[in-house]
Amino acid sequence: DIQMTQSPSSLSASVGDRVTITCRASQSISSYLNWYQQKPGKAPKLLIYAASSLQSGVPSRFSGSGSGTDFTLTISSLQPEDFATYYCQQSYSTFMYTFGQGTKLEIK
Amino acid sequence: QVQLQESGPGLVKPSQTLSLTCTVSGGSISSGSYYWSWIRQPAGKGLEWIGRIYTSGSTNYNPSLKSRVTISVDTSKNQFSLKLSSVTAADTAVYYCARGSRRDYGALDIWGQGTMVTVSS
Repeated sequence: DIQMTQSPSSLSASVGDRVTITCRASQSISSYLNWYQQKPGKAPKLLIYAASSLQSGVPSRFSGSGSGTDFTLTISSLQPEDFATYYCQQSYSTFMYTFGQGTKLEIK
Repeated sequence: QVQLQESGPGLVKPSQTLSLTCTVSGGSISSGSYYWSWIRQPAGKGLEWIGRIYTSGSTNYNPSLKSRVTISVDTSKNQFSLKLSSVTAADTAVYYCARGSRRDYGALDIWGQGTMVTVSS
């Protein structure tokens, strides 16, 4: 199975900060990497697909980069509504998709 | 606009079978551009991919659950379903259904709101 490791597991930041979350795959997954945002009591929401493509309707302050094994999600200027948990997910494996363990973004 | 809605019992006894249905509205489940998935999340924990089905009937399951999981599709009802047998307390979680885009690198672009399932006697 392909393992996905996110860092950090939690992060404190302030409104207006630039924030970067990292996701590492245990083997190359090309650009088959997606990012989701989840708020308490809600379903996850797709932010970024194919490592760097912004899902329709998602603010442009969100961006993704990387390929192979190392990926990043960047929020250029944190807004109050961005405080949530973020998950990466690989969709490379034909047989099994896996999520990272999540990164909780909290208000400093 | 496509929407997904999970339904099924919120309480299941240990050793029994958990059965959930996801109803797709606002679009056809038969579109070849998509596949249909189940994901679960225990309270306070991360997301676990359970499996997926294509409308051809082809399925893929999480190896850790494979012996207990069956996902099926009913195109006439625009629904797909999850059955998880021999459940234990470890299967207590919020269960989500989601649509995966074959075009967009397999990303899960639409999710149901989730349904809480508790395994308890």
